[in-house]
Amino acid sequence: DADVTQTPRNRITKTGKRIMLECSQTKGHDRMYWYRQDPGLGLRLIYYSFDVKDINKGEISDGYSVSRQAQAKFSLSLESAIPNQTALYFCATSVGTGPSEKLFFGSGTQLSVL
Amino acid sequence: SQQGEEDPQALSIQEGENATMNCSYKTSINNLQWYRQNSGRGLVHLILIRSNEREKHSGRLRVTLDTSKKSSSLLITASRAADTASYFCATDGVLHNNDMRFGAGTRLTVKP
Repeated sequence: DADVTQTPRNRITKTGKRIMLECSQTKGHDRMYWYRQDPGLGLRLIYYSFDVKDINKGEISDGYSVSRQAQAKFSLSLESAIPNQTALYFCATSVGTGPSEKLFFGSGTQLSVL
Repeated sequence: SQQGEEDPQALSIQEGENATMNCSYKTSINNLQWYRQNSGRGLVHLILIRSNEREKHSGRLRVTLDTSKKSSSLLITASRAADTASYFCATDGVLHNNDMRFGAGTRLTVKP
């Protein structure tokens, strides 16, 4: 089984719909992240959480919200999806022992907003 | 905004040749990391180099870091068709509160 699991793997939705992407991990890591990837732009950070009570905005948080339900679970919500949120979304984790340790990624969720 | 920028955007070589990819960044860092992504899949960590290190090796990978020039390079020696992937550098920094910022990547194609 994968250490970092994202669901769903693919999702097609319509403009204005609320959608939630889920991430769970079995690595026991404190830190969790949500990134989106667009062609030619690399990965951009949406939100990150260093523990259950800590939530931080990344560089492109507008239009998104997150919930850290437990150490192992970090979900990303699009309150009212729009077409330019069509992208590949990745959840990642890292050990919370120091600055910027290596990231472990899930397999991604391809989201299409029509 | 992206912190790292990879160069070139795309690179095509023959199997057995060496591949060199470069990364430039803008602000002071604690460390720089290189990741690999096979088509459409999650990124896999390759190597981490800290700001007080100048060179690091891992198997066929060699990473250098020049903090005075704010640049890093990733060298893959004796490339194989299986090395075909996109390669990303990622940097942190005091200004980014320890979150990692990625460049747009270099797409490497190794022809058999």
